[in-house]
Amino acid sequence: GQSLEQPSEVTAVEGAIVQINCTYQTSGFYGLSWYQQHDGGAPTFLSYNALDGLEETGRFSSFLSRSDSYGYLLLQELQMKDSASYFCAVFTGGGNKLTFGTGTQLKVEL
Amino acid sequence: NAGVTQTPKFQVLKTGQSMTLQCAQDMNHEYMSWYRQDPGMGLRLIHYSVGAGITDQGEVPNGYNVSRSTTEDFPLRLLSAAPSQTSVYFCASSDLTGNTEAFFGQGTRLTVV
Repeated sequence: GQSLEQPSEVTAVEGAIVQINCTYQTSGFYGLSWYQQHDGGAPTFLSYNALDGLEETGRFSSFLSRSDSYGYLLLQELQMKDSASYFCAVFTGGGNKLTFGTGTQLKVEL
Repeated sequence: NAGVTQTPKFQVLKTGQSMTLQCAQDMNHEYMSWYRQDPGMGLRLIHYSVGAGITDQGEVPNGYNVSRSTTEDFPLRLLSAAPSQTSVYFCASSDLTGNTEAFFGQGTRLTVV
């Protein structure tokens, strides 16, 4: 089976930088995704890494190291609206199966 | 463009009742899936499908059935509801031909009493 580990909660101040880590154990790994979910809402896609390295999308960046089975989401210039849960997810089984971690709740404070 | 549409948004069932959660997408996506979300448990995969006529089990399939007769629809059936199935259910779809973004419906909040 698959397992993904993330910190359960992270707190940071507005304007700061925060990194949310994800380690995974899986077979047939295809790529690592990140999703954001606000309270009461649906998850929304943030990024996807299939190859090692850093992918940047605006204030958000995502990193993957396949050899270490590790990735992270980096959020810069934090804003109050970034307070949400963040999930890493792995594609396995020929890219057909998307399995999520338990999520990290990010609290942004003034 | 509606994206992924789930119905109903809220539902209360009595133990032992059956029901079907509907999910439809209008993006011609091959991949569709159902997740349940419980506090502290993240999103757990129930069943998924890579195309019409093809379904497979996820992590927590017991008590649920699915079918995929068309590309657009992927209903989830609860055969005999139990309080342990009280949860928020999300349907998702994605394109398997390179675009890896999964699109989620707005969720169904199910309570079994």
